[in-house]
Amino acid sequence: EPEVTQTPSHQVTQMGQEVILRCVPISNHLYFYWYRQILGQKVEFLVSFYNNEISEKSEIFDDQFSVERPDGSNFTLKIRSTKLEDSAMYFCASTGSGGTQYFGPGTRLLVL
Amino acid sequence: GEDVEQSLFLSVREGDSSVINCTYTDSSSTYLYWYKQEPGAGLQLLTYIFSNMDMKQDQRLTVLLNKKDKHLSLRIADTQTGDSAIYFCAENGDYKLSFGAGTTVTVRA
Repeated sequence: EPEVTQTPSHQVTQMGQEVILRCVPISNHLYFYWYRQILGQKVEFLVSFYNNEISEKSEIFDDQFSVERPDGSNFTLKIRSTKLEDSAMYFCASTGSGGTQYFGPGTRLLVL
Repeated sequence: GEDVEQSLFLSVREGDSSVINCTYTDSSSTYLYWYKQEPGAGLQLLTYIFSNMDMKQDQRLTVLLNKKDKHLSLRIADTQTGDSAIYFCAENGDYKLSFGAGTTVTVRA
């Protein structure tokens, strides 16, 4: 069964550094998403992406964040100048025409 | 804005049925979802229901939707130890999902 994959599974970085989280959505899906879950809190929507552009973003998704689909398979989330409060589990999701979102296993980011 | 509420904890004896409840606010939601998250793991889609349905059954899982009251429930029959996890209710609005805080289900022998 096709699935969303994410790399790395864990990342530790120093405050102020840039990180890139990578996702490979399900191959025939058209809509891509990033969500995050701070430890013990709700899963929060960050951004949705369709047709090579951002279709919606939350208040969390400020200028520190960017997304890109550099090729036909990868979907990346870049976090510039990381802060302690960016420590969270980051989930990628994708959906086809049916609308059901399938999530990846997540990347656990720890900012020290 | 969308708001999804769930009770935080549920303890159930192995073999009994579990019922997890959820309320939501966005009446335009097309689909409502249940996701399962085991410790340290990702979000596993368990089941979903289209907003024009009242009930959906899938093996041990039964989803009930009361659209008038904006109430969604998930019933797990014959609960097993492997069902211990956090269960998230989610509604979709313009393709983004709004999640509840999650219900931690603990199955005791």
